[in-house]
Amino acid sequence: KNQVEQSPQSLIILEGKNCTLQCNYTVSPFSNLRWYKQDTGRGPVSLTIMTFSENTKSNGRYTATLDADTKQSSLHITASQLSDSASYICVVSAATYKYIFGTGTRLKVLA
Amino acid sequence: ETGVTQTPRHLVMGMTNKKSLKCEQHLGHNAMYWYKQSAKKPLELMFVYNFKEQTENNSVPSRFSPECPNSSHLFLHLHTLQPEDSALYLCASSQEASGSTRSYNEQFFGPGTRLTVL
Repeated sequence: KNQVEQSPQSLIILEGKNCTLQCNYTVSPFSNLRWYKQDTGRGPVSLTIMTFSENTKSNGRYTATLDADTKQSSLHITASQLSDSASYICVVSAATYKYIFGTGTRLKVLA
Repeated sequence: ETGVTQTPRHLVMGMTNKKSLKCEQHLGHNAMYWYKQSAKKPLELMFVYNFKEQTENNSVPSRFSPECPNSSHLFLHLHTLQPEDSALYLCASSQEASGSTRSYNEQFFGPGTRLTVL
């Protein structure tokens, strides 16, 4: 069964600290993996997208890694800001139009 | 702004009402999607349209009826809904390569419609 699991479910950190979110997937065939940020009451916005051959990709303070052998990905946030408070969703694409979504990690950054 | 707009942003309706959700994309994409997002659950794909033709229908109840008059507009017609249908309904679009089994493209999401069924 195609599945994407994310951990932790929720996370609270202090402003300025770093954090890492995890994504494990059992999706076949694998096309690509994306991380989205979703602010409360808004639609998801793409942060990174990685294909099978890519191990790491950065977008400002966000760095995503992918290990296709262990089927794991992580999203590292450096020097967190209050505006980073949101849900972060991992999505794996199995084929055209087939996107498997994780339940997300809810991040809260405190001043 | 992602280039995908949805109206209304909030909707409250009774179980006997008929309403429609509207989505419009200004990105020139050829695929559009409806998703349902319930609390503490992953996004659930409801419908996919490519070049105005429906390509996916994930066993969605018939009380949800999609309409795609052209590649820029997507509607979701609602009738005789149940309280458990209350959720955030998200529209997305992407540019998919025709004839390809792999998708390296990105989905752009609208802000969603928060639906409450009483």
